[in-house]
Amino acid sequence: SQQGEEDPQALSIQEGENATMNCSYKTSINNLQWYRQNSGRGLVHLILIRSNEREKHSGRLRVTLDTSKKSSSLLITASRAADTASYFCATDPTGTASKLTFGTGTRLQVTL
Amino acid sequence: EPEVTQTPSHQVTQMGQEVILRCVPISNHLYFYWYRQILGQKVEFLVSFYNNEISEKSEIFDDQFSVERPDGSNFTLKIRSTKLEDSAMYFCASTSGTAQFFGPGTRLTVL
Repeated sequence: SQQGEEDPQALSIQEGENATMNCSYKTSINNLQWYRQNSGRGLVHLILIRSNEREKHSGRLRVTLDTSKKSSSLLITASRAADTASYFCATDPTGTASKLTFGTGTRLQVTL
Repeated sequence: EPEVTQTPSHQVTQMGQEVILRCVPISNHLYFYWYRQILGQKVEFLVSFYNNEISEKSEIFDDQFSVERPDGSNFTLKIRSTKLEDSAMYFCASTSGTAQFFGPGTRLTVL
């Protein structure tokens, strides 16, 4: 697998349910960032978790990081139709403004 | 809240033509980037820029590409002679250190 792969590739849930997306990566990282992209639009920064952190919260978002397994998960609680988007993880190897390597993304569809 | 802006939102050009994509990064950020996303594919890194010079570039960023910070606010990506395969969404990003903030993108269509 490539650096930064999300699963599932697509996820369809009903409004109010929780959505969990996973990201795996191969090389060591300084931090991992999650982004949202609405169809054909720009990337919105959601949350950053550093390699020495295990869990982070921001509103309805919860991110976990397991550096031993080289994986991260993004949980969106109480999903809304407006959460419909693609979600990407991006890894930063050094934390010194280095390039990000993006995953393949999870397409989340939240239906009413 | 400050944000990265990009112009134009959509650029259509003929193969072989030069295009310049423009970005205004967040004002107190020092590191700037260009990424691109071909339709349906991953976001790919093109180039990073710091202190008025390229700090890193990918294999995609060949001699047809160049970047410039012509003044204190703009950051541009120039493609000298566009190819069909340059059709993609181009994103500018900036950071003051770690979290990178992206602009809305320029959709480049090469005919």
